[in-house]
Amino acid sequence: EDKVVQSPLSLVVHEGDTVTLNCSYEVTNFRSLLWYKQEKKAPTFLFMLTSSGIEKKSGRLSSILDKKELFSILNITATQTGDSAVYLCAVEAPRNNDMRFGAGTRLTVKP
Amino acid sequence: NAGVTQTPKFQVLKTGQSMTLQCAQDMNHNSMYWYRQDPGMGLRLIYYSASEGTTDKGEVPNGYNVSRLNKREFSLRLESAAPSQTSVYFCATSTGPIQYFGAGTRLSVL
Repeated sequence: EDKVVQSPLSLVVHEGDTVTLNCSYEVTNFRSLLWYKQEKKAPTFLFMLTSSGIEKKSGRLSSILDKKELFSILNITATQTGDSAVYLCAVEAPRNNDMRFGAGTRLTVKP
Repeated sequence: NAGVTQTPKFQVLKTGQSMTLQCAQDMNHNSMYWYRQDPGMGLRLIYYSASEGTTDKGEVPNGYNVSRLNKREFSLRLESAAPSQTSVYFCATSTGPIQYFGAGTRLSVL
């Protein structure tokens, strides 16, 4: 059975800290892995990763995929209170565009 | 340009009542999805529509039906609501792996 596991489930840090969020997966016929940020309402897209070892970066956020070890990490440097959210990892499952989501990591950044 | 619009935003039902959740998109995407989100469980796919006129079951379809009315609209129906269907429901659209979500419907079944 396909599964996506995120860790930790929750994390509390202070502004300025660096955090690493983890996503491991077991999905047949892997196509892509995506990260989303969910604040109060709808998840919004952050990154899509398809190739091993290539870092995607956007400002203070970056992500990398390891297809051999079946995991991805999302790094956030110099955290701000606006980074507080649930971060979701999703893996594209065998059927086109069918995604398997992890349970999410709830990040709280304190001032 | 609203993106993905879901109605209603909140709903309270009694066990056994029926209702339809509406979703409309103006992104001209072919694929549309309904998910439910429960604490500690992430997003789980209920139904999926690859194009107008086609629908397919996802991970948790029991107790739900869907209609892909046209390219823009994809509705989710609960025929006889149960407390286990208390959840937040999200509609999403895509043309590829990246999905765009509506703001969600918070449903409570008493």
